[in-house]
Amino acid sequence: DAKTTQPPSMDCAEGRAANLPCNHSTISGNEYVYWYRQIHSQGPQYIIHGLKNNETNEMASLIITEDRKSSTLILPHATLRDTAVYYCIVRLSSWGGTSYGKLTFGQGTILTVHP
Amino acid sequence: EAGVTQFPSHSVIEKGQTVTLRCDPISGHDNLYWYRRVMGKEIKFLLHFVKESKQDESGMPNNRFLAERTGGTYSTLKVQPAELEDSGVYFCASSPGIPSYEQYFGPGTRLTVT
Repeated sequence: DAKTTQPPSMDCAEGRAANLPCNHSTISGNEYVYWYRQIHSQGPQYIIHGLKNNETNEMASLIITEDRKSSTLILPHATLRDTAVYYCIVRLSSWGGTSYGKLTFGQGTILTVHP
Repeated sequence: EAGVTQFPSHSVIEKGQTVTLRCDPISGHDNLYWYRRVMGKEIKFLLHFVKESKQDESGMPNNRFLAERTGGTYSTLKVQPAELEDSGVYFCASSPGIPSYEQYFGPGTRLTVT
């Protein structure tokens, strides 16, 4: 599995955009970039994923560099409820092998949103 | 729509005993996954079912762990005999279809082995 590198922690003011970086320089062509978060001790929650194009949904935007070696998750208007651990995960596509279902979690980034 | 449910929410057992964790996926989800986080470590993948078949069990730590998914519905994860290092939080997740994108996680079962 491709390894990801994230800063251990970040702060963000409520109402501001939170930009969480992730480095995945060894990503291969059949791997997606996924973002999950874990709020307190709940189960992880899916946020967004992408292959090579930028993606946006109701929760966030995902910006992937052209060489696919890094990405940024953007929470456009962070709220206190967005305080969580954010995980950037590289995941094998379904045509990439039998391990396509496996999510490999790292340490993640602890995002703290303050008033 | 009900989410992924796990039972029990917390289990305390003694070393050497047997424990069985249960996961009920979202109805209609063919894919079911088990993960765990042991104390101070990262969340680790254990295995992936597609319906009743094991698609990938590369993360199962040893033969003390047995996962089943009867009829492609709920799944159980049995630990026998439990060891101290098995303590942690066991998460179950499910997703629809193939290829599967978003995995929906349950709240987890906290296992404490004393």
